[in-house]
Amino acid sequence: KAGVTQTPRYLIKTRGQQVTLSCSPISGHRSVSWYQQTPGQGLQFLFEYFSETQRNKGNFPGRFSGRQFSNSRSEMNVSTLELGDSALYLCASSPFSLMGTGYEQYFGPGTRLTVT
Amino acid sequence: EDKVVQSPLSLVVHEGDTVTLNCSYEVTNFRSLLWYKQEKKAPTFLFMLTSSGIEKKSGRLSSILDKKELFSILNITATQTGDSAVYLCAPFNAGNNRKLIWGLGTSLAVNP
Repeated sequence: KAGVTQTPRYLIKTRGQQVTLSCSPISGHRSVSWYQQTPGQGLQFLFEYFSETQRNKGNFPGRFSGRQFSNSRSEMNVSTLELGDSALYLCASSPFSLMGTGYEQYFGPGTRLTVT
Repeated sequence: EDKVVQSPLSLVVHEGDTVTLNCSYEVTNFRSLLWYKQEKKAPTFLFMLTSSGIEKKSGRLSSILDKKELFSILNITATQTGDSAVYLCAPFNAGNNRKLIWGLGTSLAVNP
């Protein structure tokens, strides 16, 4: 089975721009969660999508949004980029939603976003 | 507020040594605790612990949870250079806003 894939792997953007990241989960997985990872803060939960619905959300501003398509692929969008948004963005897939009982997640390689 | 503290922050050992990584937590609606290994990019799943005192083992790695004292340990015996990675623990908060609460990790370097 193919693992979780994320595109692009690296991205450089300027403050004020917006960016869209993509995540394709493992075949058959319906849950996709997004995380931001920085050296000082570690992994911070952004949101989870399950069956095209946002099921759960972390403490991030509204500039961070996402969606999930019928094939379970998910996109994350960040508008009006700030320098502090520079981070590794990881997505993780699971057969079950975090809102249920399944929480073993399989991570993608991440997208390294640099905001200048 | 939920909190996870991993110690030590970093560790350098020689091949063949045994290491113990610690994870203490204060998490409301605690359900379970997960350990992940992160090399370069994607964290990979190691263990999920739900009950106190039951040791989970996978080869040279083992882990145990103490729900009374609110901590978990991850042991690695006969370390190899391939064990070099960041080890993350993540307790699961099963309240209304269910999510994994991630520690900052322990960076382990195993020298030949």
